[in-house]
Amino acid sequence: EDKVVQSPLSLVVHEGDTVTLNCSYEVTNFRSLLWYKQEKKAPTFLFMLTSSGIEKKSGRLSSILDKKELFSILNITATQTGDSAIYLCAVFNTGNQFYFGTGTSLTVIP
Amino acid sequence: NAGVMQNPRHLVRRRGQEARLRCSPMKGHSHVYWYRQLPEEGLKFMVYLQKENIIDESGMPKERFSAEFPKEGPSILRIQQVVRGDSAAYFCASSPLPHTPEKLFFGSGTQLSVL
Repeated sequence: EDKVVQSPLSLVVHEGDTVTLNCSYEVTNFRSLLWYKQEKKAPTFLFMLTSSGIEKKSGRLSSILDKKELFSILNITATQTGDSAIYLCAVFNTGNQFYFGTGTSLTVIP
Repeated sequence: NAGVMQNPRHLVRRRGQEARLRCSPMKGHSHVYWYRQLPEEGLKFMVYLQKENIIDESGMPKERFSAEFPKEGPSILRIQQVVRGDSAAYFCASSPLPHTPEKLFFGSGTQLSVL
């Protein structure tokens, strides 16, 4: 069965900390992996990764994919309270099917 | 840019009633996807529609659930004779092109509670 597993389920950190969120997957005919930030319900797109070893970066957020080991990580450096959200990982396959993980709930406290 | 608009935000129904969830895609987007998020679970695909056509409904239960995306107006997800297990958050997403996940925009969802 195709699945996407995220860890940890939840995380509480202090402002300024660096966090690493994990996403492992078992999805046939992989095409791409995407990260979303879900705050106040609407998931918003962060990154799409298709190739192994190429880091995508946007400000304090970065992500990388390992297609051999079937996982991705999302790093957030110098966390701020505005980073508090649920971070979703999803895998899109060549059959145009989307598989979502259950998310990691990040809370950043001042 | 109003984004993907879903209404209502919250919907309460008693068992046996009908639930109608509406989704207005972003301007210029003709591809609409519906997802369901059950408690403690990830988003699950339900149905993919283009204007006036259902393209893929493989994730939608065969009974009681239906979806449409008319030429004019919003996309509607309809659940007849709701049961407690239908309680979930229902998300709509739209894109300007098919199967382009990086161009997929989500609405804020409708939280359906069945009493």
